[in-house]
Amino acid sequence: RKEVEQDPGPFNVPEGATVAFNCTYSNSASQSFFWYRQDCRKEPKLLMSVYSSGNEDGRFTAQLNRASQYISLLIRDSKLSDSATYLCVVKWGQNFVFGPGTRLSVLP
Amino acid sequence: DTEVTQTPKHLVMGMTNKKSLKCEQHMGHRAMYWYKQKAKKPPELMFVYSYEKLSINESVPSRFSPECPNSSLLNLHLHALQPEDSALYLCASSPLMGQAIYEQYFGPGTRLTVT
Repeated sequence: RKEVEQDPGPFNVPEGATVAFNCTYSNSASQSFFWYRQDCRKEPKLLMSVYSSGNEDGRFTAQLNRASQYISLLIRDSKLSDSATYLCVVKWGQNFVFGPGTRLSVLP
Repeated sequence: DTEVTQTPKHLVMGMTNKKSLKCEQHMGHRAMYWYKQKAKKPPELMFVYSYEKLSINESVPSRFSPECPNSSLLNLHLHALQPEDSALYLCASSPLMGQAIYEQYFGPGTRLTVT
């Protein structure tokens, strides 16, 4: 079983759609959780940290369920510029473990 | 400023060459990382330095040799690489408060081709 798993994708959605990404992790001792986005041939960029109470940043909402070891990311009113690979990242100790990523294409 | 810089951007080397990748950050971060990323795969952790000391080595072959000369710099020395080592090499840094670690910031990477 992989340590961090994500929806396999790809997701192809029209502009303005709402899209949700799911992530599960296996290590119950995980301490911190993040969503990164990565554009083709670029480095990962931090999108948002995920807090236990859930958090929102504009069109983006992240949720964490520690009991189910599950993280989600919701993107509302998707834009063409949201097209990227979304990476779920889980930290335990000094180790950051990346999920395989979910590719999103927002279509005009 | 959340900038991590890496040089060179691109590197082509033969299997008998010795080369080095460099990474620099001036954010006062005391944790620094090397990752390897193959196409269509997520980054894979190679090494972690905390307070300039190697704290994690993910069973990386000895042909990759990391070095952290000071709190702002991280090097990756390469020797006798194989074609399958061709990949994007990413450096990252993170604040480190005691043993707590916060989010990582990535450099743009070095795209390495081994011929």
